[in-house]
Amino acid sequence: GENVEQHPSTLSVQEGDSAVIKCTYSDSASNYFPWYKQELGKGPQLIIDIRSNVGEKKDQRIAVTLNKTAKHFSLHITETQPEDSAVYFCAARPSGYSTLTFGKGTMLLVSP
Amino acid sequence: DGGITQSPKYLFRKEGQNVTLSCEQNLNHDAMYWYRQDPGQGLRLIYYSQIVNDFQKGDIAEGYSVSREKKESFPLTVTSAQKNPTAFYLCASSPPEEETQYFGPGTRLLVL
Repeated sequence: GENVEQHPSTLSVQEGDSAVIKCTYSDSASNYFPWYKQELGKGPQLIIDIRSNVGEKKDQRIAVTLNKTAKHFSLHITETQPEDSAVYFCAARPSGYSTLTFGKGTMLLVSP
Repeated sequence: DGGITQSPKYLFRKEGQNVTLSCEQNLNHDAMYWYRQDPGQGLRLIYYSQIVNDFQKGDIAEGYSVSREKKESFPLTVTSAQKNPTAFYLCASSPPEEETQYFGPGTRLLVL
């Protein structure tokens, strides 16, 4: 089955800096890669996703890049703000399956 | 007001007791999922259902049971066979023909 590894487990940045979270996946047939943000005590919220036919996708301060050859994808947050502080999860879905495999999460702390 | 609702927000279980967690959605989504979240473990799939009256085991189904009698509802029962039930339980659903999963607010289960 699919295996997703996520790094780092914690990331501390100063307000205004950029943050990058990286994930690798094992199944080359995976074709859908969402990113979720989870605030304390709440359910995860989808913030951006990318499909395997696209190399990069942006939404304001958030971007995701995908390298299919290396089987890794990354979340980039620019101009970080204290409200970006949360746990971020990556996930992957193999082609033909309806389930997602999640990474173990990255706790992002943005200091004012 | 559309969305995914989970109840209760907190649930306490005594030794040897079965408890049922509720998940309801009014989004007309076909697929529904149950995940368990433990600190530092990410999200692990318990059960999922792609259609009414049908469901499949996920990675950690032992000690849990589900039913899908209505499209809107996918309750999860934590049985006494689950020896370590303390966790945050998340329900999710997906629109027809889409990979994206949307999460509810979660239920925290604690053992007395």
